[in-house]
Amino acid sequence: SQTIHQWPATLVQPVGSPLSLECTVEGTSNPNLYWYRQAAGRGLQLLFYSVGIGQISSEVPQNLSASRPQDRQFILSSKKLLLSDSGFYLCAWSGVADNWRNYGYTFGSGTRLTVV
Amino acid sequence: DAKTTQPNSMESNEEEPVHLPCNHSTISGTDYIHWYRQLPSQGPEYVIHGLTSNVNNRMASLAIAEDRKSSTLILHRATLRDAAVYYCILSDTGTASKLTFGTGTRLQVTL
Repeated sequence: SQTIHQWPATLVQPVGSPLSLECTVEGTSNPNLYWYRQAAGRGLQLLFYSVGIGQISSEVPQNLSASRPQDRQFILSSKKLLLSDSGFYLCAWSGVADNWRNYGYTFGSGTRLTVV
Repeated sequence: DAKTTQPNSMESNEEEPVHLPCNHSTISGTDYIHWYRQLPSQGPEYVIHGLTSNVNNRMASLAIAEDRKSSTLILHRATLRDAAVYYCILSDTGTASKLTFGTGTRLQVTL
């Protein structure tokens, strides 16, 4: 069965420090991968998505970047964190075509980031 | 992307059915209707989806209006564990099937 791993679960970082959040998927190949952010009390905002290795699409211009060095690995990064980067970061995967239509998205357990 | 409109919040008593409405008057012919729910401090969880016909699974039922401009998620017997934010989302059949989450409906379930 497919599983998605996301870490760390919580993170407290000072303003101006770098960030690296990692997400890996097991049990599937060539998944679509997504990074979402949820600010406190708000809805989910799609940040990046990827349909293949090295293919990254950005939805919102910001202080963050994403990379996909391997088929089932998705990394969210920042060189210098801002206070406004605080939030709940979620990684998700989906299959393509009939697979995603039948099974939808699967989300990881999330990383709660607090920038201080 | 076509938009959806949901009530901000709803309340239900435990063991009773819950009907969560969603309006999507600008839905296109290729848009699927998805429902996800998010429990506190967790990532969203897939509930159900459909295109034109009503759908049933172990979690819920999805009733889609004949003109597809609205749909209703039906929880047949609400439990305290069903208290969550429920999102109704439209997505087309593109290669990267992006889901755009709105603010959803916060469902409260009481004894």
